[in-house]
Amino acid sequence: EAQVTQNPRYLITVTGKKLTVTCSQNMNHEYMSWYRQDPGLGLRQIYYSMNVEVTDKGDVPEGYKVSRKEKRNFPLILESPSPNQTSLYFCASSPSQTGSDGYTFGSGTRLTVV
Amino acid sequence: KNEVEQSPQNLTAQEGEFITINCSYSVGISALHWLQQHPGGGIVSLFMLSSGKKKHGRLIATINIQEKHSSLHITASHPRDSAVYICAVRWGGNYQLIWGAGTKLIIKP
Repeated sequence: EAQVTQNPRYLITVTGKKLTVTCSQNMNHEYMSWYRQDPGLGLRQIYYSMNVEVTDKGDVPEGYKVSRKEKRNFPLILESPSPNQTSLYFCASSPSQTGSDGYTFGSGTRLTVV
Repeated sequence: KNEVEQSPQNLTAQEGEFITINCSYSVGISALHWLQQHPGGGIVSLFMLSSGKKKHGRLIATINIQEKHSSLHITASHPRDSAVYICAVRWGGNYQLIWGAGTKLIIKP
């Protein structure tokens, strides 16, 4: 089944403890992206990647890192999480950079930083 | 400044009603996307439009580039259509999207 797999689905952590949210797609998509969703604000892009070893900042990159060493994986790293990073996170992929064939989203990761 | 505005913010209707959700934007765009977010949180792409109209089942999406406006229509609405509908625009040569805040739709049986 074609899908984007995010793990974990739920995570509660403490301030300052490094964490990684994994994202993997099995569709050979070039484009991958991370978003956070907060009430009343809609989705905001954190980082995106147009291909292997090509990543770029979105609208809210502060406090996050990403890497794209392989086409299928695009992990999101929080080196020192803070409570303002408590949010619902989505990974998405698309066959092309333009998104003309639509986007496939992961199921989301609900992160709570205490 | 919200560059993508959706209206209404919330909409409750009875099963069978014709539904219209609107999206207005302030920038010149190269494409507009409509997506659906289920109550469980999952997000699904519905349409990508750069002009005209697209139809898929009971869903119809239209766009008027000159008026910077798009509408998503649902015919013969059903409780399973209850979801948040999100509009997002891609502007200029930039591959990034600007997202609307979403319209929460509830269809009552």
